[in-house]
Formats: sequence, structure tokens, C-alpha cells
Amino acid sequence: AQKITQTQPGMFVQEKEAVTLDCTYDTSDPSYGLFWYKQPSSGEMIFLIYQGSYDQQNATEGRYSLNFQKARKSANLVISASQLGDSAMYFCAMREGGPETGRRALTFGSGTRLQVQP
Amino acid sequence: DTEVTQTPKHLVMGMTNKKSLKCEQHMGHRAMYWYKQKAKKPPELMFVYSYEKLSINESVPSRFSPECPNSSLLNLHLHALQPEDSALYLCASSPRGGPLREAFFGQGTRLTVV
Repeated sequence: AQKITQTQPGMFVQEKEAVTLDCTYDTSDPSYGLFWYKQPSSGEMIFLIYQGSYDQQNATEGRYSLNFQKARKSANLVISASQLGDSAMYFCAMREGGPETGRRALTFGSGTRLQVQP
Repeated sequence: DTEVTQTPKHLVMGMTNKKSLKCEQHMGHRAMYWYKQKAKKPPELMFVYSYEKLSINESVPSRFSPECPNSSLLNLHLHALQPEDSALYLCASSPRGGPLREAFFGQGTRLTVV
């Protein structure tokens, strides 16, 4: 079964508008972390934002915020005031807790390609 | 220093060649990872090292051989690869213990097998 699901293969947004990228997850671990990464065409994975399963407040980092709805197991990324440079692939990822190292490796969703239009 | 450095950035190799990918970090992280990413796909975990010991091998073919000579360095030795092994190879590291914080990724090595 998919642990991370991103249902939007591609999204378009007008420059300066806000956009929401969807992510749902599945885990039975009470302790886990949720991540969003941006991957431009150059290939590097750029960390954007992190949300811990025990965090009470939604994470924010500059123009990025994470809409964390634990009961619904969703962790949507909101980008405010989109810029042309935001055009890239965006991956949602999860790391499940536990004593084994392997369970600390990231599992990625299939990604959403965001295109910002002028 | 909050960087993971991967070399080379690009590599073209023949199916009979032997080559190595290198990954280095100086953040004191004791968990290091190799991921493989095919075009338009998410990264897939290959190997996990914890305290310089291989802890996870995700059923990767033996033509990929990882090595962790010290806590800062991770290598991936390549031998007799196939064209379908062409991909972006990403290295990552993360701190052991503590909160489940971010993994730091290198820029990747774009490998083409001809």
C-alpha cells in the first residue's frame, strides 16, 4: 500500500497567487515526520518544510506553510505569492519513527510538477 | 557546514566499466543513504548506513556495492551496469536520534550507462 499519496501530477498557478499541493499519508506509527522537498530540473532535493507528528502548530517557513490535519492524515503544502522560480517538482515525504535505522529513511510520494505562469 | 557533496555530478560509463560515486558530509551525521531516482519518478531507497555499518539493503543487485569507510564518507561502487541503471543517484545524511528532522541531500550524480 502507498504510504505517501500525491494525487496531483501537475499544477498550474499564476505568479503572485497562492497554491496548495496535496499530500496524504498512511502510517500506524505514532511518531513520524512529514517533509516537503522541491526538486528543480538540476536534480538537487531542496528541503522546504518539516512537520512532526507531535507538533501542535502547523509548520511555516517563509512563503511555505504546511496544513497538517492529523485525523485526516493529510499534510498539504501551501505556497503563498508564487514566483516563477517556484516552478519545479515537489515531493512529499515521510519518515516513520522507531529504533531501526531503516525506518528512518524517507519514503516519497510520486510528486507534483508545479508550473508558475507569468 | 550543512552540505552533502557528491562527486562526480555527471558520469557516463560503459557496461564493462568500473566506477565509483562519492558522497561526503561533515555535519557529524551518523546515518547516510543512497537513493536512486529514475526520470519523472520519486527517489527510491537503495542502502542505509548507520554508524558506518550497512543496516538496510533494499534488494539492490550486486553490481551496486556500497562502502562507508568513515563517518563522513559514503561510496557507491559500480560494476557491469546495465543501461536501465541510468538514473540520478542521490546521497543523503541525517542525524541519528533526536527529533525526526530533515535529511540533507547532495546534488546527485547523473549516471548514464551506454
